[in-house]
Amino acid sequence: QLQLQESGPGLVKPSETLSLRCTVSGASISDSNFYWGWIRQPPGKGLEWIGSVSHSGSTFYNPSLKSRVAISVDTSKNQFSLRLNSLTAADTAVYYCSRLPVDVITNDFFDFWGQGTLVTVSS
Amino acid sequence: QSVLTQPPSVSGAPGQRVTISCTGSSSNIGADNDVHWYQQLPGTAPKLLIFRNTNRPSGVPDRFSGSKSGTSASLVIAGLQAEDEANYYCQSYDYSLSGFWVFGGGTKLTVL
Repeated sequence: QLQLQESGPGLVKPSETLSLRCTVSGASISDSNFYWGWIRQPPGKGLEWIGSVSHSGSTFYNPSLKSRVAISVDTSKNQFSLRLNSLTAADTAVYYCSRLPVDVITNDFFDFWGQGTLVTVSS
Repeated sequence: QSVLTQPPSVSGAPGQRVTISCTGSSSNIGADNDVHWYQQLPGTAPKLLIFRNTNRPSGVPDRFSGSKSGTSASLVIAGLQAEDEANYYCQSYDYSLSGFWVFGGGTKLTVL
């Protein structure tokens, strides 16, 4: 049974860097049939794709966040991580990690999601 | 402002059929990119409902169906049930600077 679990701080100060980790169980993050991604949802608002990473570490980022975001994989721990710097209140959101079955990139979707973790940016 | 446009809300009585639209452009849906749909029940993570325009993952009732035409896609829910009350999001791939994978703004379905 595939499970994704986000972990990280629930409160981060403005201008600081957010670091989140997603631990994958029930599947190997090294499987070349999948990408892994981060999506966020501000309170009461819609979904925003942040970025995705392949098993080999190739990355794809939302252009609106590209200058502040980095996603990486740790195959030894079956985890992938998100770093988002220069935080502001607008980054307050529930952050989800997810899996994408790889086909043609234009046809990819998010088939499994973690439960999400609320990150509040406040002093 | 989302790249994919959905109505903010729709409603229907139990047993009725509702349709949720997702309107894009030539840089996403109109570029022959697939559309996918997610259901988000209150307080939970989104769940994949329809993938590649018309396909249901295992366990999704056949009351849910999807279609795509031109620059738009639709999610149809037949035989509405109280447990269908949720937010629904469409998703596709966009070639413009708006980003790669993009979501619609979401539609709140209320079962009357």
